Amino acid sequence: QSALTQPASVSGSPGQSITISCTGTSSDVGSYNLVSWYQQYPGKAPRLMIYEDSKRPSGVSYRFSGSKSGNMASLAISGLQAEDEGDYYCCSYAGSSTWVFGGGTKLTVL
Amino acid sequence: QVTLRESGPALVKPTQTLTLTCTFSGFSLSTSGIFVSWIRQPPGKALEWLALIDWNDHKYYNTSLKTRLTISKYTSKNQVVLTLTNMDPVDTATYYCARFIDDGDYFDYWGQGTLVTVSS
Repeated sequence: QSALTQPASVSGSPGQSITISCTGTSSDVGSYNLVSWYQQYPGKAPRLMIYEDSKRPSGVSYRFSGSKSGNMASLAISGLQAEDEGDYYCCSYAGSSTWVFGGGTKLTVL
Repeated sequence: QVTLRESGPALVKPTQTLTLTCTFSGFSLSTSGIFVSWIRQPPGKALEWLALIDWNDHKYYNTSLKTRLTISKYTSKNQVVLTLTNMDPVDTATYYCARFIDDGDYFDYWGQGTLVTVSS
């Protein structure tokens, strides 16, 4: 049950697009369509942004999208805005009724 | 409106047992497909999934912490309790409870979290 691998940080300017990767294995990310993504502001609880690899809950901006290829999932944010700055975590079902989070990525809007 | 709130001690001593309570509203843990989970986050570090309990009282644990964790539910009180034995300073973290949706495997509502510090 090792943590999923995410880049420690990504950055972009307002209006640009960025992508955050989440790399797992064939035992977790690669085996199930069950990757979710969470946004977290400092001192706040995480917020669900994407589930089942690419589905967006109601209330989440269309600028956020998810995808997956093999053992790597990705979160893309288009039209970057200052309010998107924060930490992002992926999570996947890891088999045997366990779940694993990624190490987190700090997004900076320049 | 779905809400969850964690409660418990802010400070525990090494070797003690931590007991945290998650009190929720807006849903019932007797509904099929609804789970409640605990997740923690050490200061400045990543989220770590700890445990999950479903409407049928099935319990699931982080493999690495399984021997120290117990999750229980009190459906009539709308509460889920987590105990973690033999606390160590590395267990210092903000502990969150969250509602988990089985159809899709995601945490859709979270409590605000409670910071637990382990220190003598």
